[in-house]
Amino acid sequence: NAGVTQTPKFQVLKTGQSMTLQCAQDMNHNSMYWYRQDPGMGLRLIYYSASEGTTDKGEVPNGYNVSRLNKREFSLRLESAAPSQTSVYFCASSEVKGAGHGYTFGSGTRLTVV
Amino acid sequence: AQSVAQPEDQVNVAEGNPLTVKCTYSVSGNPYLFWYVQYPNRGLQFLLKYITGDNLVKGSYGFEAEFNKSQTSFHLKKPSALVSDSALYFCAVRDDYTGGFKTIFGAGTRLFVKA
Repeated sequence: NAGVTQTPKFQVLKTGQSMTLQCAQDMNHNSMYWYRQDPGMGLRLIYYSASEGTTDKGEVPNGYNVSRLNKREFSLRLESAAPSQTSVYFCASSEVKGAGHGYTFGSGTRLTVV
Repeated sequence: AQSVAQPEDQVNVAEGNPLTVKCTYSVSGNPYLFWYVQYPNRGLQFLLKYITGDNLVKGSYGFEAEFNKSQTSFHLKKPSALVSDSALYFCAVRDDYTGGFKTIFGAGTRLFVKA
């Protein structure tokens, strides 16, 4: 099925470990986004990529890096995980041409840092 | 900066009753507003959007939203709630930048529909 695919679905890390969250979309969307979801705080934007080759910081970028590998893939890396990064991470994509387009979300990665 | 507020953490309604989930917004320029729904252990799903035109916007699963410019509100409504509507609902506003846009989400409102 067409959509946004995230891997892994679950991950437990020890403090200080690193990992990369993978995201791929097959809808030929230009823009991709990484959000984290925490109870009572909604979704907060970590990084976004307007198009292949560009990335920008969102609201909460500290402790994260991203790579827009090609038009389909947008990965999120935690270089040295901290307990404060325990969260559910969502990748999303959208088309930018035209007005008022919504996002398509992946099913999320539940990350626990111990 | 664009922002949205959802004043209720939780809304409880009985099945068959009308439901309203509230959202207020603050934008510079014309508002592009959205509602998303999240079912347990799933990603968010797009429900509906307001860009321009009629103040009453119809979306998926029988939901609609009323845009009110004077009150800067965009409340989500459904005439008759179903138990299966129980989920987490997010109001959102589009924030444009050169070359694209990003979306700012509210904190979410959990809807419980009792049988």
